[in-house]
Amino acid sequence: NAGVMQNPRHLVRRRGQEARLRCSPMKGHSHVYWYRQLPEEGLKFMVYLQKENIIDESGMPKERFSAEFPKEGPSILRIQQVVRGDSAAYFCASSPRHFGTAGGELFFGEGSRLTVL
Amino acid sequence: DAKTTQPTSMDCAEGRAANLPCNHSTISGNEYVYWYRQIHSQGPQYIIHGLKNNETNEMASLIITEDRKSSTLILPHATLRDTAVYYCIVRVPYNAGNNRKLIWGLGTSLAVNP
Repeated sequence: NAGVMQNPRHLVRRRGQEARLRCSPMKGHSHVYWYRQLPEEGLKFMVYLQKENIIDESGMPKERFSAEFPKEGPSILRIQQVVRGDSAAYFCASSPRHFGTAGGELFFGEGSRLTVL
Repeated sequence: DAKTTQPTSMDCAEGRAANLPCNHSTISGNEYVYWYRQIHSQGPQYIIHGLKNNETNEMASLIITEDRKSSTLILPHATLRDTAVYYCIVRVPYNAGNNRKLIWGLGTSLAVNP
């Protein structure tokens, strides 16, 4: 049973280019979350999506950042015109809609590390 | 979700028990205590959780005080591979929407030394 898959694991971009990060949730999970982690900082919530819907994007910068979770295919976090401050680890997590207290509420991928030159 | 406070860093000798404390004095009655850890360059990994009773699984034990204002994660025989950042989070389960409200602090950076 595959876990949350993220790619690429590492991405290098020059200032002004676009970065696309992909996340395939665990099988059967319809809820996806994106987090950003800057060096020496904790995880910061960015956006919460369900299939074809953005539920909460309150943690995402208003400009240059967008996210989608289409009916078919992975969720994508897109960063346009990247700047050096976008260099960070971006983690995707998935969960089922409803769950008990078995601890399986949130499963994380290995992250995508973006470096902007 | 309530805020938690944890020590910034801790050291532990390999083979000894690692006891990681967490204060959550504003926890409400329906909030559970969860522990995750993040090994360098990896995504966070669930460890254990509990409401008010002590819990144990194959990874760790969780001791929650009677007033629920604090808890301790115990790694009974720490190994070098347990070196990681440990996050204590309090939250209400059951609903996927609550995951977005989780507050991930800086956690405790545990160094297990040979």
